[in-house]
Amino acid sequence: EPEVTQTPSHQVTQMGQEVILRCVPISNHLYFYWYRQILGQKVEFLVSFYNNEISEKSEIFDDQFSVERPDGSNFTLKIRSTKLEDSAMYFCASRPEMRGYTFGSGTRLTVV
Amino acid sequence: GDSVTQMEGPVTLSEEAFLTINCTYTATGYPSLFWYVQYPGEGLQLLLKATKADDKGSNKGFEATYRKETTSFHLEKGSVQVSDSAVYFCALSDPLNNNDMRFGAGTRLTVKP
Repeated sequence: EPEVTQTPSHQVTQMGQEVILRCVPISNHLYFYWYRQILGQKVEFLVSFYNNEISEKSEIFDDQFSVERPDGSNFTLKIRSTKLEDSAMYFCASRPEMRGYTFGSGTRLTVV
Repeated sequence: GDSVTQMEGPVTLSEEAFLTINCTYTATGYPSLFWYVQYPGEGLQLLLKATKADDKGSNKGFEATYRKETTSFHLEKGSVQVSDSAVYFCALSDPLNNNDMRFGAGTRLTVKP
């Protein structure tokens, strides 16, 4: 069964550093998403991406965040200058036009 | 805006007990409803879903019925096992909101032998 692949599974970074979280969505999917889950808390929507542009973003997705689909297969989330409170599990998801989401297994980001 | 409200946990049950986790929603349109499960240290897995009113989603002994009149999608299982210990998330996807997924806060279930 096709999967959404996220790398790395765990990343540790120093506060103030830039991080890029990588995702390879399922190849024929059209909509792409990033979600965040702070440890022990709810899964929060960050951003949705369709047709090579952001279609919606949450309040969390401020100027420190950006997304790209640089080459038609990868979908990346960049955090420009990480803060301690960015420590969380980040989930990528994708879906085709009329069907449900497939989530990746997540990247655990730890900011120290 | 769209939102999902879940019963707060944690929930602790003995093996073979009956499980109910309540979920209610608010949506602009007619959403699809989902239950996701997150086992310790793992990602989100789709457990079951329902796409229209009165549909019943079921999987691995879990069931949930889409109730439009009460805007609810409660998760039930007749006899839980230790292996069901996980965090359960209710979620909706609203076609009037780009089908973006919105999650409840999650309910942690611990099943003791």
